[in-house]
Amino acid sequence: KQEVTQIPAALSVPEGENLVLNCSFTDSAIYNLQWFRQDPGKGLTSLLLIQSSQREQTSGRLNASLDKSSGRSTLYIAASQPGDSATYLCAVGPYNTDKLIFGTGTRLQVFP
Amino acid sequence: DVKVTQSSRYLVKRTGEKVFLECVQDMDHENMFWYRQDPGLGLRLIYFSYDVKMKEKGDIPEGYSVSREKKERFSLILESASTNQTSMYLCASSNGGTGIQPQHFGDGTRLSIL
Repeated sequence: KQEVTQIPAALSVPEGENLVLNCSFTDSAIYNLQWFRQDPGKGLTSLLLIQSSQREQTSGRLNASLDKSSGRSTLYIAASQPGDSATYLCAVGPYNTDKLIFGTGTRLQVFP
Repeated sequence: DVKVTQSSRYLVKRTGEKVFLECVQDMDHENMFWYRQDPGLGLRLIYFSYDVKMKEKGDIPEGYSVSREKKERFSLILESASTNQTSMYLCASSNGGTGIQPQHFGDGTRLSIL
């Protein structure tokens, strides 16, 4: 059964730092991996989607990488800002299904 | 932009009541999903629908049912609400077919069962 783990569970950094959030999964047979952001009391906003054939995706200050063979993905945030404070979730999409399996998230706080 | 709208942000109901949570999407997506989110447990899939009148159980379907009579609307039904169903409920939609389409989420319904 696919399990998705995110470490650390919480992270607090000063503004301007570059940081890396980690996501690991137990079964490398995935279709895609998606990173989301969730603000307190809100739904999820899709940030990046990496297909299984891709190694990375970039959007602005965000870069997500995927290493299927080792069961890992990282989300790199450059020059962090207080507005980046949120919970970040990764989710993997197994083969032959449109469903996603979520990690429990990393709660990020960026302080001025 | 895709818009997924959940009918209520906050809802308070009593034990034993039948509860309806409604979700509407405006992008003609084939797939729609209901999740619940609990601290320490993350998001867990309750039910999934890949077409009108089609549904598939997720990881935790017990105590829930769903209805999809129209493509844009997906309803979650708590047949007889219990206190352990107090949670944040999230609806999502995505295009079907290849399985590589992003899921788009509503703002959630925080449901309290007293």
